[in-house]
Amino acid sequence: DLQMTQSPSSLSASVGDRVTITCRASQGISNYLAWYQQKPGKAPKLLIYAASTLQSGVPSRFSGSGSGTVFTLTISSLQPEDVATYFCQKYNSAPPAFGQGTKVELK
Amino acid sequence: EVQLLESGGGLVQPGGSLRLSCAASGFTFSSYAMSWVRQAPGKGLEWVSSISGSGVSTYYADSVKGRFTISRDNSKNTLYLQMNSLRAEDTAVYYCAKDQSTGTWQVELLFDSWGQGTLVTVSS
Repeated sequence: DLQMTQSPSSLSASVGDRVTITCRASQGISNYLAWYQQKPGKAPKLLIYAASTLQSGVPSRFSGSGSGTVFTLTISSLQPEDVATYFCQKYNSAPPAFGQGTKVELK
Repeated sequence: EVQLLESGGGLVQPGGSLRLSCAASGFTFSSYAMSWVRQAPGKGLEWVSSISGSGVSTYYADSVKGRFTISRDNSKNTLYLQMNSLRAEDTAVYYCAKDQSTGTWQVELLFDSWGQGTLVTVSS
């Protein structure tokens, strides 16, 4: 099965910093890539789909890019409420697969 | 507003069974594929199973195939997961999740709404 690999597994950044998370697919998935945010004790929340389309209601400081096998999630200016774990997910076919997650903390 | 409310979790012995339910509201339930996704304590997300809006098409992760059965009752707006032959490694919070796009006969596997989750603990 196709594997999704995220990097880094964790990062620490200051408020206002630009943060970038990378997700790599073991095979090409076109743009069938989503990003989710999960805060402690909460369900995941869809942030971005089709690699770069912002879900309704998600702040514009979040953006996504990429196609094929390499994708990125960028937070242009990190805010305290962005502390969370972020997961990528491919959804071009079953089984859908998630990355292992990237934990974002404040420095 | 979409609402998904899971129930049925709890403590069960290895080899036992449990049935999870997910009550849905705020959307036309029968028009959307639904899925179960689980998260072991302190771990990442793992897709478990999906079912089309009509209930005709079902999909399973290899780790649960032959042990778990997904179903739905569109008259009751409820999704189910029957879990048999449970193992310690099935211990997790189980989330139900809704596809973003309508899919009576197929699944999209892009999850735009999630329930709060129900904890299943498999231990003797």
